[in-house]
Amino acid sequence: GAVVSQHPSWVICKSGTSVKIECRSLDFQATTMFWYRQFPKQSLMLMATSNEGSKATYEQGVEKDKFLINHASLTLSTLTVTSAHPEDSSFYICSARDPGTGGYNEQFFGPGTRLTVL
Amino acid sequence: QKEVEQNSGPLSVPEGAIASLNCTYSDRGSQSFFWYRQYSGKSPELIMFIYSNGDKEDGRFTAQLNKASQYVSLLIRDSQPSDSATYLCAVKWDSGAGSYQLTFGKGTKLSVIP
Repeated sequence: GAVVSQHPSWVICKSGTSVKIECRSLDFQATTMFWYRQFPKQSLMLMATSNEGSKATYEQGVEKDKFLINHASLTLSTLTVTSAHPEDSSFYICSARDPGTGGYNEQFFGPGTRLTVL
Repeated sequence: QKEVEQNSGPLSVPEGAIASLNCTYSDRGSQSFFWYRQYSGKSPELIMFIYSNGDKEDGRFTAQLNKASQYVSLLIRDSQPSDSATYLCAVKWDSGAGSYQLTFGKGTKLSVIP
């Protein structure tokens, strides 16, 4: 159980284009999903918390107009990187909280999406 | 500022030995603590969580928590080369309005030498 998928697993795009990344919880309903970014040899940095049916909560320093998050259903959240630039190249990872974990609220991670902006 | 500190390593241990990974955290009110394993180029995989002082064992893994010292550790017994990865310590904290977040340490890179 507690499987989270992401699509695509990798993407290469030209500077200025937009990229959409999907995050799905496959065997549970996730009212909350999280989006992280990880640069090489760095830890995971939380970008935003995505809540189903409401606006995402962004961390300080993360541009909400550049990183659009839509949590359209209990099993799907999307992150769109708008007008991507080379400095946006990173490993983007989503996670979902499984409410069926006895209240300890472990987060289960998707496999990640490696974005390369040329 | 919620901070989670880990020694970046690399920590090298021979196959079959015990690997000891340590983590300290700044928020005394933190209640839940998680250890994730991350292989190079992959996303983190949950190994264990702990919320009570003392030890929690799961197979070859033992998590230890000391809230008074704000210290959590992970022991890996009979280390195998397949355990070679970066281990991330994460601390859960309440971000308000019924929400919570995880703050991650930078991770400790473990290398198990055959």
